[in-house]
Amino acid sequence: KAGVTQTPRYLIKTRGQQVTLSCSPISGHRSVSWYQQTPGQGLQFLFEYFSETQRNKGNFPGRFSGRQFSNSRSEMNVSTLELGDSALYLCASTSFGLAASDTQYFGPGTRLTVL
Amino acid sequence: AQSVAQPEDQVNVAEGNPLTVKCTYSVSGNPYLFWYVQYPNRGLQFLLKYITGDNLVKGSYGFEAEFNKSQTSFHLKKPSALVSDSALYFCAVRVPGSSNTGKLIFGQGTTLQVKP
Repeated sequence: KAGVTQTPRYLIKTRGQQVTLSCSPISGHRSVSWYQQTPGQGLQFLFEYFSETQRNKGNFPGRFSGRQFSNSRSEMNVSTLELGDSALYLCASTSFGLAASDTQYFGPGTRLTVL
Repeated sequence: AQSVAQPEDQVNVAEGNPLTVKCTYSVSGNPYLFWYVQYPNRGLQFLLKYITGDNLVKGSYGFEAEFNKSQTSFHLKKPSALVSDSALYFCAVRVPGSSNTGKLIFGQGTTLQVKP
């Protein structure tokens, strides 16, 4: 099975712009979670989607949003970019995500740089 | 607040020697515990997890982890380190409950350096 894929791998944007990142989960997986990784804050949970519905959300401002499509592919959007949004954005997929013991499988990430 | 701690920013070990990367957690309830590894410019790769049962869990690439409930620890171990094991290691917990759906809580990471 192909793993989790994320596009693009690298992005450079300027402050004030918006950006959309894409994540395709492992085939058959229906739950997608997003994380932000920075040197200062480490890995932080952004949100999780299942069956096109956001089930959980972390402590991020409303500029961070996401959605999931009927084929389980997910996108996250960051509006009005700030310098502090520079990070590696990781998505992870799980079969159903209903059991806390389910393993999350991660994609390679999108490296976002905000200038 | 629920948290995971990896007390060592970096662990240095000689190739062939045993290695230990430490992890402790502070969460309510009975969490599930995970270890992931990250190589430069790559995503996180799953190594192993503890759900229930035997406190010693075996995972990928010869890694194992020991769960200790009384000490709330989940240390990662390997009997004989390889240079190729050099990477960034993350411990994570998942707390059961609808409010924690899809959410892993991560430690800050430990850089493992294996020297030839």
